[in-house]
Amino acid sequence: DAKTTQPPSMDCAEGRAANLPCNHSTISGNEYVYWYRQIHSQGPQYIIHGLKNNETNEMASLIITEDRKSSTLILPHATLRDTAVYYCIVLGSNDYKLSFGAGTTVTVRA
Amino acid sequence: EAGVAQSPRYKIIEKRQSVAFWCNPISGHATLYWYQQILGQGPKLLIQFQNNGVVDDSQLPKDRFSAERLKGVDSTLKIQPAKLEDSAVYLCASSSTGGSNTEAFFGQGTRLTVV
Repeated sequence: DAKTTQPPSMDCAEGRAANLPCNHSTISGNEYVYWYRQIHSQGPQYIIHGLKNNETNEMASLIITEDRKSSTLILPHATLRDTAVYYCIVLGSNDYKLSFGAGTTVTVRA
Repeated sequence: EAGVAQSPRYKIIEKRQSVAFWCNPISGHATLYWYQQILGQGPKLLIQFQNNGVVDDSQLPKDRFSAERLKGVDSTLKIQPAKLEDSAVYLCASSSTGGSNTEAFFGQGTRLTVV
């Protein structure tokens, strides 16, 4: 049973911000939202995670709604190297099962 | 810090043959994951270890797949006998504790082709 819903694909112009939505309406109070990405022919790479508050690191920002039912990953200045599949994951608080869905294929165009 | 090491990178076998994959996680990481990724799909969790104990193997096809993590460090995943539908990339990942506030690190994967 999928815990998250993401659009299958989206395009973004190079140099612009990319906003990737994720719905997780059944999230529990102590479950974290994680984002990973997978560039072609590589293993997934951790991007960022959060619980309630918005988070920012050198790669991206994570905005979580107040009711925690959805979140948005923001790549502030997309580059061609950001072309990848992006996965939004809710990490179970009991089993810590890191389960991937289909993700969003993001294509950054010059 | 060295990353997660996997070998081999590529393997081609005939159906009904056996194959084994090896994973060396990041030093000190207690949690180890094996995933199967079929072309065009997201990674599917096969088995999760915490040290040398199995936390979850609900999606591991136990009639043909087996995995072990001796001494809580390296791990091997075996398929015996292989089927055509086992063609996929097999990914290994590790994390320090496996808790809900830790990131996982992935290896490059082993691409298996069954002919």
